Amino acid sequence: NAGVTQTPKFRVLKTGQSMTLLCAQDMNHEYMYWYRQDPGMGLRLIHYSVGEGTTAKGEVPDGYNVSRLKKQNFLLGLESAAPSQTSVYFCASIRTSASTDTQYFGPGTRLTVL
Amino acid sequence: GQNIDQPTEMTATEGAIVQINCTYQTSGFNGLFWYQQHAGEAPTFLSYNVLDGLEEKGRFSSFLSRSKGYSYLLLKELQMKDSASYLCAWVDQTGANNLFFGTGTRLTVIP
Repeated sequence: NAGVTQTPKFRVLKTGQSMTLLCAQDMNHEYMYWYRQDPGMGLRLIHYSVGEGTTAKGEVPDGYNVSRLKKQNFLLGLESAAPSQTSVYFCASIRTSASTDTQYFGPGTRLTVL
Repeated sequence: GQNIDQPTEMTATEGAIVQINCTYQTSGFNGLFWYQQHAGEAPTFLSYNVLDGLEEKGRFSSFLSRSKGYSYLLLKELQMKDSASYLCAWVDQTGANNLFFGTGTRLTVIP
Protein backbone atom coordinates (compact mmCIF):
# COMPACT_ATOMS: atom_id res chain seq x y z
CA ASN A 1 0.00 0.00 0.00
CA ALA A 2 1.20 3.49 -0.86
CA GLY A 3 -0.88 4.97 1.97
CA VAL A 4 -1.69 8.65 1.42
CA THR A 5 0.00 10.35 -1.52
CA GLN A 6 -0.08 14.00 -2.59
CA THR A 7 0.59 15.61 -5.95
CA PRO A 8 2.53 17.80 -6.54
CA LYS A 9 5.23 17.95 -3.85
CA PHE A 10 6.23 21.53 -4.66
CA ARG A 11 4.64 24.35 -6.63
CA VAL A 12 5.22 28.03 -7.22
CA LEU A 13 2.30 30.16 -8.39
CA LYS A 14 1.82 33.78 -9.26
CA THR A 15 -0.93 35.76 -7.58
CA GLY A 16 -4.24 35.15 -9.30
CA GLN A 17 -3.35 31.78 -10.79
CA SER A 18 -5.39 28.70 -10.00
CA MET A 19 -4.34 25.15 -9.24
CA THR A 20 -5.55 21.83 -7.87
CA LEU A 21 -3.82 19.69 -5.29
CA LEU A 22 -4.55 15.97 -5.47
CA CYS A 23 -4.70 13.63 -2.50
CA ALA A 24 -5.07 9.90 -3.03
CA GLN A 25 -5.36 7.06 -0.54
CA ASP A 26 -5.43 3.32 -1.20
CA MET A 27 -6.60 2.23 2.26
CA ASN A 28 -10.34 2.43 1.53
CA HIS A 29 -10.70 5.17 4.14
CA GLU A 30 -14.04 6.93 4.47
CA TYR A 31 -12.92 10.30 5.86
CA MET A 32 -10.42 12.66 4.28
CA TYR A 33 -9.08 16.06 5.36
CA TRP A 34 -7.07 18.99 4.04
CA TYR A 35 -4.89 21.01 6.42
CA ARG A 36 -2.49 23.86 6.03
CA GLN A 37 0.55 24.31 8.25
CA ASP A 38 2.14 27.69 8.81
CA PRO A 39 4.99 28.66 11.15
CA GLY A 40 3.69 29.45 14.62
CA MET A 41 0.11 28.49 13.69
CA GLY A 42 0.00 24.72 13.84
CA LEU A 43 -2.08 22.60 11.50
CA ARG A 44 -5.45 24.12 10.61
CA LEU A 45 -8.33 22.30 8.97
CA ILE A 46 -9.42 23.72 5.59
CA HIS A 47 -12.10 21.28 4.41
CA TYR A 48 -13.00 17.69 5.08
CA SER A 49 -15.12 14.87 3.67
CA VAL A 50 -16.94 12.11 5.51
CA GLY A 51 -17.58 10.07 2.40
CA GLU A 52 -17.67 10.01 -1.39
CA GLY A 53 -19.66 12.92 -2.73
CA THR A 54 -19.65 14.88 0.54
CA THR A 55 -17.57 17.86 1.66
CA ALA A 56 -17.70 20.29 4.57
CA LYS A 57 -15.90 23.44 5.67
CA GLY A 58 -13.25 23.41 8.34
CA GLU A 59 -11.67 26.26 10.26
CA VAL A 60 -10.09 28.18 7.34
CA PRO A 61 -12.07 27.39 4.14
CA ASP A 62 -12.02 30.81 2.43
CA GLY A 63 -10.27 30.84 -0.94
CA TYR A 64 -10.39 27.04 -1.31
CA ASN A 65 -12.78 24.56 -2.86
CA VAL A 66 -12.78 20.77 -2.63
CA SER A 67 -14.31 17.77 -4.34
CA ARG A 68 -14.59 14.10 -3.47
CA LEU A 69 -15.94 12.47 -6.63
CA LYS A 70 -14.20 9.18 -5.89
CA LYS A 71 -13.70 7.64 -2.46
CA GLN A 72 -9.95 7.40 -2.88
CA ASN A 73 -9.36 10.98 -4.06
CA PHE A 74 -9.81 14.35 -2.38
CA LEU A 75 -9.00 17.44 -4.44
CA LEU A 76 -8.19 20.88 -3.09
CA GLY A 77 -8.57 23.82 -5.46
CA LEU A 78 -7.26 27.34 -5.19
CA GLU A 79 -9.45 29.56 -7.36
CA SER A 80 -7.27 32.67 -7.37
CA ALA A 81 -4.06 32.20 -5.42
CA ALA A 82 -2.92 34.87 -2.95
CA PRO A 83 0.41 35.24 -1.12
CA SER A 84 -1.44 34.46 2.13
CA GLN A 85 -1.98 30.95 0.77
CA THR A 86 1.75 30.25 0.80
CA SER A 87 1.92 27.25 3.10
CA VAL A 88 2.53 23.54 3.41
CA TYR A 89 -0.64 21.59 2.68
CA PHE A 90 -1.24 18.18 4.21
CA CYS A 91 -3.91 15.70 3.34
CA ALA A 92 -5.03 13.06 5.84
CA SER A 93 -7.45 10.15 5.93
CA ILE A 94 -9.10 7.98 8.54
CA ARG A 95 -10.81 4.61 8.23
CA THR A 96 -13.97 5.05 10.32
CA SER A 97 -15.78 7.49 12.54
CA ALA A 98 -14.37 5.94 15.71
CA SER A 99 -12.49 8.62 17.60
CA THR A 100 -9.77 6.13 18.38
CA ASP A 101 -8.85 5.87 14.71
CA THR A 102 -5.72 7.80 13.91
CA GLN A 103 -5.41 10.13 10.93
CA TYR A 104 -2.79 9.12 8.37
CA PHE A 105 -1.05 12.05 6.74
CA GLY A 106 0.36 12.45 3.26
CA PRO A 107 3.88 13.83 2.69
CA GLY A 108 2.70 17.39 2.08
CA THR A 109 2.70 19.92 -0.75
CA ARG A 110 4.84 23.01 -0.35
CA LEU A 111 3.13 25.90 -2.15
CA THR A 112 4.60 29.35 -2.69
CA VAL A 113 2.48 32.17 -4.09
CA LEU A 114 4.45 35.14 -5.40
CA GLY B 1 -8.37 29.86 17.93
CA GLN B 2 -7.81 26.25 18.73
CA ASN B 3 -7.79 26.76 22.55
CA ILE B 4 -4.86 24.42 22.87
CA ASP B 5 -1.44 25.44 24.16
CA GLN B 6 1.98 23.84 24.34
CA PRO B 7 5.50 25.23 24.74
CA THR B 8 7.18 26.37 21.54
CA GLU B 9 10.62 24.88 22.12
CA MET B 10 12.42 22.54 24.50
CA THR B 11 15.95 21.20 24.72
CA ALA B 12 17.02 18.01 26.47
CA THR B 13 20.09 15.81 26.72
CA GLU B 14 20.51 12.42 25.09
CA GLY B 15 19.56 9.65 27.52
CA ALA B 16 17.45 11.96 29.69
CA ILE B 17 13.68 12.18 30.24
CA VAL B 18 11.58 15.07 28.94
CA GLN B 19 7.95 15.98 29.55
CA ILE B 20 6.02 18.06 27.01
CA ASN B 21 2.84 19.63 28.39
CA CYS B 22 -0.37 20.48 26.58
CA THR B 23 -3.42 22.32 27.92
CA TYR B 24 -6.73 22.69 26.15
CA GLN B 25 -10.16 24.26 26.60
CA THR B 26 -13.17 22.81 24.84
CA SER B 27 -16.66 21.59 25.64
CA GLY B 28 -16.75 19.06 22.81
CA PHE B 29 -13.78 16.91 23.71
CA ASN B 30 -13.54 13.32 22.47
CA GLY B 31 -9.91 12.46 23.07
CA LEU B 32 -6.41 13.81 22.67
CA PHE B 33 -3.72 12.78 20.20
CA TRP B 34 0.02 13.24 20.16
CA TYR B 35 1.86 13.27 16.84
CA GLN B 36 5.56 13.45 16.02
CA GLN B 37 6.71 15.50 13.05
CA HIS B 38 10.28 15.57 11.79
CA ALA B 39 11.32 18.65 9.83
CA GLY B 40 9.95 18.54 6.30
CA GLU B 41 7.92 15.42 6.91
CA ALA B 42 4.33 14.46 7.67
CA PRO B 43 3.02 14.07 11.23
CA THR B 44 2.97 10.48 12.47
CA PHE B 45 0.81 9.07 15.25
CA LEU B 46 2.29 8.55 18.71
CA SER B 47 -0.59 8.15 21.16
CA TYR B 48 -4.28 8.65 21.92
CA ASN B 49 -5.93 9.24 25.29
CA VAL B 50 -9.64 9.54 25.97
CA LEU B 51 -9.80 8.42 29.61
CA ASP B 52 -7.86 9.90 32.51
CA GLY B 53 -4.56 8.27 33.21
CA LEU B 54 -1.31 7.17 31.69
CA GLU B 55 -0.84 5.23 28.45
CA GLU B 56 2.60 3.69 27.99
CA LYS B 57 4.17 2.62 24.72
CA GLY B 58 7.81 1.73 25.03
CA ARG B 59 9.88 4.86 25.58
CA PHE B 60 6.84 7.12 25.08
CA SER B 61 3.99 7.66 27.55
CA SER B 62 1.04 10.04 27.43
CA PHE B 63 -1.11 11.26 30.30
CA LEU B 64 -4.53 12.87 30.31
CA SER B 65 -6.58 14.69 32.94
CA ARG B 66 -9.95 15.64 31.47
CA SER B 67 -11.02 17.64 34.54
CA LYS B 68 -7.92 19.81 34.28
CA GLY B 69 -7.79 20.01 30.47
CA TYR B 70 -4.22 18.82 30.63
CA SER B 71 -2.05 16.25 28.92
CA TYR B 72 1.63 15.50 28.74
CA LEU B 73 3.91 13.40 26.58
CA LEU B 74 6.82 11.77 28.38
CA LEU B 75 9.84 10.66 26.40
CA LYS B 76 12.37 8.45 28.19
CA GLU B 77 15.92 7.48 27.28
CA LEU B 78 16.08 10.26 24.73
CA GLN B 79 17.84 9.56 21.45
CA MET B 80 19.13 12.01 18.86
CA LYS B 81 16.44 10.84 16.45
CA ASP B 82 13.79 12.12 18.89
CA SER B 83 14.64 15.67 17.79
CA ALA B 84 11.36 16.68 16.15
CA SER B 85 8.20 18.67 16.71
CA TYR B 86 5.55 17.12 18.94
CA LEU B 87 1.97 18.10 18.19
CA CYS B 88 -0.96 17.69 20.54
CA ALA B 89 -4.47 17.76 19.13
CA TRP B 90 -7.96 17.24 20.57
CA VAL B 91 -10.65 15.51 18.56
CA ASP B 92 -14.19 16.86 18.43
CA GLN B 93 -17.53 15.16 19.03
CA THR B 94 -19.15 16.03 15.71
CA GLY B 95 -18.61 12.54 14.36
CA ALA B 96 -16.26 13.87 11.69
CA ASN B 97 -13.22 13.28 13.91
CA ASN B 98 -11.86 16.74 13.24
CA LEU B 99 -8.56 17.45 14.95
CA PHE B 100 -7.60 20.80 16.48
CA PHE B 101 -3.87 21.16 16.81
CA GLY B 102 -1.59 23.13 19.04
CA THR B 103 1.33 24.95 17.45
CA GLY B 104 3.70 22.11 18.27
CA THR B 105 6.73 21.84 20.55
CA ARG B 106 10.08 21.66 18.82
CA LEU B 107 12.33 19.35 20.83
CA THR B 108 16.08 19.43 20.32
CA VAL B 109 18.09 16.57 21.77
CA ILE B 110 21.73 17.44 22.43
CA PRO B 111 24.62 15.03 23.09
